Amino acid sequence: ETGVTQSPTHLIKTRGQQVTLRCSSQSGHNTVSWYQQALGQGPQFIFQYYREEENGRGNFPPRFSGLQFPNYSSELNVNALELDDSALYLCASSFSHSSGELFFGEGSRLTVL
Amino acid sequence: GIQVEQSPPDLILQEGANSTLRCNFSDSVNNLQWFHQNPWGQLINLFYIPSGTKQNGRLSATTVATERYSLLYISSSQTTDSGVYFCAVLYGNNRLAFGKGNQVVVIP
Repeated sequence: ETGVTQSPTHLIKTRGQQVTLRCSSQSGHNTVSWYQQALGQGPQFIFQYYREEENGRGNFPPRFSGLQFPNYSSELNVNALELDDSALYLCASSFSHSSGELFFGEGSRLTVL
Repeated sequence: GIQVEQSPPDLILQEGANSTLRCNFSDSVNNLQWFHQNPWGQLINLFYIPSGTKQNGRLSATTVATERYSLLYISSSQTTDSGVYFCAVLYGNNRLAFGKGNQVVVIP
């Protein structure tokens, strides 16, 4: 059974640039969620994707957007990067969009200069 | 939104000691998960526990949903238990609300 995988693991961008982060869900899981973890804090929910559509969003601006593909993998896109976007971005997958245990990938650590 | 509070925020243990981490939450939830975050940032699943008690080796967890709290017990701690422990509650469409974590340091 393949776990959740994310890429890239680390990246550095400058303010105003755009970034795309990728996530492959665990085998058999059809729902992907994204979380942002700032230094010293717990992860914060960004949004969830189910059946290739956004299925719930946390308190994040529209410049955070995403996609889910037919194979359930997902992308997180962030436009017009700001310094405060520097964080660990975690992807989680689950068997269902309404219940069930979530499993996380290793994360993508983004630094914005 | 749901508030999740973890205590104590920081804990230093001598190897071999036992400890209890507490998680309080402000509203009814669908379920609850405990994680251990490794030094590389990955969240490792420890327990998925809506109520009752579960054990896995030296770790055990108890959730009392009616009183809105959960406890994580670490027995005979080892240096490999060091790290941050997160409690997270599942609500709505299977989204997680996390606490700020318990930073645990086990010294030999």
